[in-house]
Amino acid sequence: DTGVSQDPRHKITKRGQNVTFRCDPISEHNRLYWYRQTLGQGPEFLTYFQNEAQLEKSRLLSDRFSAERPKGSFSTLEIQRTEQGDSAMYLCASSLGLAGSPYEQYFGPGTRLTVT
Amino acid sequence: AQSVSQHNHHVILSEAASLELGCNYSYGGTVNLFWYVQYPGQHLQLLLKYFSGDPLVKGIKGFEAEFIKSKFSFNLRKPSVQWSDTAEYFCAVRGNNRLAFGKGNQVVVIP
Repeated sequence: DTGVSQDPRHKITKRGQNVTFRCDPISEHNRLYWYRQTLGQGPEFLTYFQNEAQLEKSRLLSDRFSAERPKGSFSTLEIQRTEQGDSAMYLCASSLGLAGSPYEQYFGPGTRLTVT
Repeated sequence: AQSVSQHNHHVILSEAASLELGCNYSYGGTVNLFWYVQYPGQHLQLLLKYFSGDPLVKGIKGFEAEFIKSKFSFNLRKPSVQWSDTAEYFCAVRGNNRLAFGKGNQVVVIP
């Protein structure tokens, strides 16, 4: 399968613990995005990378959240000191990013986080 | 910032009925518009997209959508639904390198 993959698919953690999620984009895609989806809502943008550079962060991304894409390939999203309000589906997407050209984003299956 | 409104969050209809889902967006720049679908237990998949040109776009599985610039709308249609169209449908607008999604329409097709 050459689509976007995410690991783990499910994560249950206790409040206050740190968690890290991984996303592997489609190999030729230079842009990578993180979104968060809660029940009854559409996905909400968190941050995006072009190659290894993190170009934009949403105000939803508090100081407890950090994302990296060290070699411009896979990305990790870490949440420190988790809170119950962090419980959500975390989605990763990737796309091509060519100047002046529109593009579509391809989504992974998501990581469902439950904070108890 | 861009935003999307979807109405009628829960839709129940019988097979062979016609489906229309409304989508209104707000964005001041050049719009790229999308409909994504999420089948039960599966991830978000692109159903169709509008970038430019013909405002009537056709997607997979017999879906189509019409971009009406004057109404800031991008409604999704299918003339005759099947049980397999049971899914959640999301409209999205791209602006500033991010997608803004609506809250989605949960569509249930009864055999």
